Amino acid sequence: AQTVTQSQPEMSVQEAETVTLSCTYDTSESDYYLFWYKQPPSRQMILVIRQEAYKQQNATENRFSVNFQKAAKSFSLKISDSQLGDAAMYFCAYRPETSGSRLTFGEGTQLTVNP
Amino acid sequence: SAVISQKPSRDICQRGTSLTIQCQVDSQVTMMFWYRQQPGQSLTLIATANQGSEATYESGFVIDKFPISRPNLTFSTLTVSNMSPEDSSIYLCSVAGQGFSYEQYFGPGTRLTVT
Repeated sequence: AQTVTQSQPEMSVQEAETVTLSCTYDTSESDYYLFWYKQPPSRQMILVIRQEAYKQQNATENRFSVNFQKAAKSFSLKISDSQLGDAAMYFCAYRPETSGSRLTFGEGTQLTVNP
Repeated sequence: SAVISQKPSRDICQRGTSLTIQCQVDSQVTMMFWYRQQPGQSLTLIATANQGSEATYESGFVIDKFPISRPNLTFSTLTVSNMSPEDSSIYLCSVAGQGFSYEQYFGPGTRLTVT
């Protein structure tokens, strides 16, 4: 079975600084997708960034980028120029190519942004 | 992406009663899912709602407790039956397929408190 592990229950960052959230996963599949979701106190799950496993290039979306290391099964999220609105719970998620879109989530990392 | 709405947004219910949660999408989608998020925890998949057939339940979830309907490609309901305080959670609907590639989008969630 696939598992997703986020080893940092809580992280904090100063406004305008950079923070990296860690995620590792375990799978025997070769084709899959990885995601980072953000859940602010409003509880809405917001898709932040996605990565296809077959792509070597790391995904980037504005201030958000990932460091995808397929051999190490690692998928970290870097947030640059952190803003107060980035404060939220962040979930890493995995979806194999063949599963029918079922997502497996990590335990989450609570990010605090300090002014 | 898709615009997903859920009703109700929150409810407080007495033990032994049932609550039906509705999920409406603004476009036709191939797959709809129901997740549960217990307080302070990650998301757990309850079931995949299949259009025109019975839902597919994950281990630990049964149809008698969580009956699901999906009458068409834009709508689904989840009923939480014979509720107990342990059912107090956020219940989230999500959708995938039919034009958004491999991504999965979430509704705003229903916060259920059982007293």
